Amino acid sequence: AQSVTQPDIHITVSEGASLELRCNYSYGATPYLFWYVQSPGQGLQLLLKYFSGDTLVQGIKGFEAEFKRSQSSFNLRKPSVHWSDAAEYFCAVGSMEYGNKLVFGAGTILRVKS
Amino acid sequence: NAGVTQTPKFQVLKTGQSMTLQCAQDMNHEYMSWYRQDPGMGLRLIHYSVGAGITDQGEVPNGYNVSRSTTEDFPLRLLSAAPSQTSVYFCASSFPEGNGYTFGSGTRLTVV
Repeated sequence: AQSVTQPDIHITVSEGASLELRCNYSYGATPYLFWYVQSPGQGLQLLLKYFSGDTLVQGIKGFEAEFKRSQSSFNLRKPSVHWSDAAEYFCAVGSMEYGNKLVFGAGTILRVKS
Repeated sequence: NAGVTQTPKFQVLKTGQSMTLQCAQDMNHEYMSWYRQDPGMGLRLIHYSVGAGITDQGEVPNGYNVSRSTTEDFPLRLLSAAPSQTSVYFCASSFPEGNGYTFGSGTRLTVV
């Protein structure tokens, strides 16, 4: 069965510090991987996506993520966090072999302290 | 360019009532999905569609119906609302081939 695990429910970082949000997936097929961000009361915005090729992908707002097939991971990183990055972040996995349905992790809430 | 439009934004229903959540997209996306979001559980897929006239069940389909008569619209029907259906509902659309989904702003539903 397809599944996505985000081990950290909450993370607090200081403004200006680096950030890494973890994501592990279990997927039999070749996965497509996504990170979404959700601000309170809002919908989800796509940060970045991985289909194939270069395993380090760049996204919006200065985020990047690295696909590591051997570890079944797709961790999200940012070198310097801004207070406006406080939000909930979701990792998701999909595959054309499963009809492009997305399976989401439970989310990680990021708090930024000044 | 409206993207994905969901109506209403908020709704309160009494147990046993029925209603339809509306979703429309203007991007000519073939794929459309309905998710519900509950605290600590991420988003769970209710129903999805890969094109007009084609729908299928997701992870949590019970109590919900969908139809897709046009490419643009994908309404979600609650047949007999239950308190367990209190949630935030998101509609999303996408081109195929693994593109990321574009999400609507959500409908917050409370069933009392």
